[in-house]
Amino acid sequence: GQQLNQSPQSMFIQEGEDVSMNCTSSSIFNTWLWYKQDPGEGPVLLIALYKAGELTSNGRLTAQFGITRKDSFLNISASIPSDVGIYFCAGQRNTPLVFGKGTRLSVIA
Amino acid sequence: KAGVTQTPRYLIKTRGQQVTLSCSPISGHRSVSWYQQTPGQGLQFLFEYFSETQRNKGNFPGRFSGRQFSNSRSEMNVSTLELGDSALYLCASSNGVEGTEAFFGQGTRLTVV
Repeated sequence: GQQLNQSPQSMFIQEGEDVSMNCTSSSIFNTWLWYKQDPGEGPVLLIALYKAGELTSNGRLTAQFGITRKDSFLNISASIPSDVGIYFCAGQRNTPLVFGKGTRLSVIA
Repeated sequence: KAGVTQTPRYLIKTRGQQVTLSCSPISGHRSVSWYQQTPGQGLQFLFEYFSETQRNKGNFPGRFSGRQFSNSRSEMNVSTLELGDSALYLCASSNGVEGTEAFFGQGTRLTVV
């Protein structure tokens, strides 16, 4: 079945630093979604991408749909303590959403 | 506009019992998907219901089943519970058209003892 490789698995950064994470797939997708999950809660949708090459921002978050349609990137600028959590990518093409295993972000004040 | 509501939030069951979880999607959404989340396996797709019909199914044993009602609310049932069924069960609501956004509920934390 389809698999998503999400990296890094975890990150420890200083408050104020920028963060980058990415997802790659062996298959192409038509849609990429990025979610953030806090402990004990459900994932919250951050950004949705629908076209190859698309670059979309949501506040300090920016995500891109890779040109090959096999990858996507999420950047967080000027991180703050509330950015702590697990970030998931998800892709879709004629199937239910496929999720990466997540990037656990820790922010050191 | 109300979000996705899952009940109950927490459950403790013993091995061999069965359990039913409920999900009410966002008003107007006709698709409900269920996922199992565990630390080791991440988010694993269970099944999707659209307009009261199961449209997709993941690789889970037959002990896991679901249904959807005419008001789009969905239930999932797990029979003969095993310790390994302990997980956070999440449902996602969407309008069912590919390429549209899916929104998650807060989840039901099931612990099997």
